[in-house]
This record gives sequence, structure tokens and C-alpha cells, in this order.
Amino acid sequence: KNEVEQSPQNLTAQEGEFITINCSYSVGISALHWLQQHPGGGIVSLFMLSSGKKKHGRLIATINIQEKHSSLHITASHPRDSAVYICAVSGNQFYFGTGTSLTVIP
Amino acid sequence: EAGVVQSPRYKIIEKKQPVAFWCNPISGHNTLYWYLQNLGQGPELLIRYENEEAVDDSQLPKDRFSAERLKGVDSTLKIQPAELGDSAVYLCASSFGGLNTGELFFGEGSRLTVL
Repeated sequence: KNEVEQSPQNLTAQEGEFITINCSYSVGISALHWLQQHPGGGIVSLFMLSSGKKKHGRLIATINIQEKHSSLHITASHPRDSAVYICAVSGNQFYFGTGTSLTVIP
Repeated sequence: EAGVVQSPRYKIIEKKQPVAFWCNPISGHNTLYWYLQNLGQGPELLIRYENEEAVDDSQLPKDRFSAERLKGVDSTLKIQPAELGDSAVYLCASSFGGLNTGELFFGEGSRLTVL
């Protein structure tokens, strides 16, 4: 049983497309985190949110606490956005999704 | 400000050999985590420290894995003896504040290959 589910698992997009990655969770949380991992690289925290919406550059993260759902949006996608995006939630411990592998083609 | 520093980045050993990984968290971060990540999977918690105290080591295979954070700053994770199935990336992360308050900062990871 996975406490955090992400979809899609893999995503290929053309440069410039609008991208959405979804995350659903089944446990009580205090915060939700979106993380980015480039191939062979470490993990970078993109967002930590507990309600509403946050925006950073071309990235937007939203969370609906009642529905236990979050989305990560990338506007005007670029090849450098190619990475694995991981959703994680913190409650009594951290739970991680298995990630969404994004490839943006020029 | 320096991020979370891990070493070595890569380690190749033969099975049954020991191996150790080191992590220096961001200055002032009292919470330190060791995670294991297999290819295509999310991180799996091995152990969590609050200062020098291991507050969650329930997922640490204690027959072969050990960890310490003696002064509540840097930490070492050891595997002895290593098995083929231990090949993975070992990630260290730190945060300021407790489990429910801190943004996580990860190191680059230590990739272990056991032959």
C-alpha cells in the first residue's frame, strides 16, 4: 500500500507545453513537498506547502487538503525541466511517491 | 552557505566488505535523515536523528547497518558486511526544526555498487 501515489509515472512533452503532475495521498499530513531529481543528481526541494497555491518562476504547486490531492504545473516547459519529480508528505513521518519521470523534447 | 555534503559520491566494493558513508548537514539543522533510494523508486527512510538522538530507526537493518551522530552534527552510516542487494544510492537530508516543520535539503547522495 502506497501512502503517496503519483501520476503519470512517465511523461514526454514538447518544449513549450503546459505540464501537470498529480499527487494523491492517504495519510494525515502537515505539509506536502514537491522535489526534483535530475539523472545522477541529488534531490532539490521545489515547494513545501500546506494549503492553497505557491508559484516559483514557471512552476506552480497547488494543494487541496479536503481531497488529499496536489498538482505540480510547469508552464512553457523546457528541456532543462527534464527530471524526476517526487511528491512527498510529512505527517508522523515522511512518505515519498515513486516519482514522475518527465522528458521535454526540443 | 554550503548545502548537505556527502562523501564518497561513488563506492564500489565486493560483497562482504564494509563500507561507510559520511554526511555533514546544513549548519544549524538539528534533524538529519539517512535514506536509501533504488533506481526508479522514491527514497526509503533508514534512520532519523533529532540532534544526536536516533528517534526513528525502525527501518534500519540493524544486523548489518549502523549509524551514529555523536555530536549532533555530522553523521556516519556503515554497512558491514555489504550484500549484493545493498547496491543503491544512500541519501542524507537535513532540516531545521522537527519532522513536521522543516523543508528537506538533500545531499548529492552516495552511490554504492556491491559486486
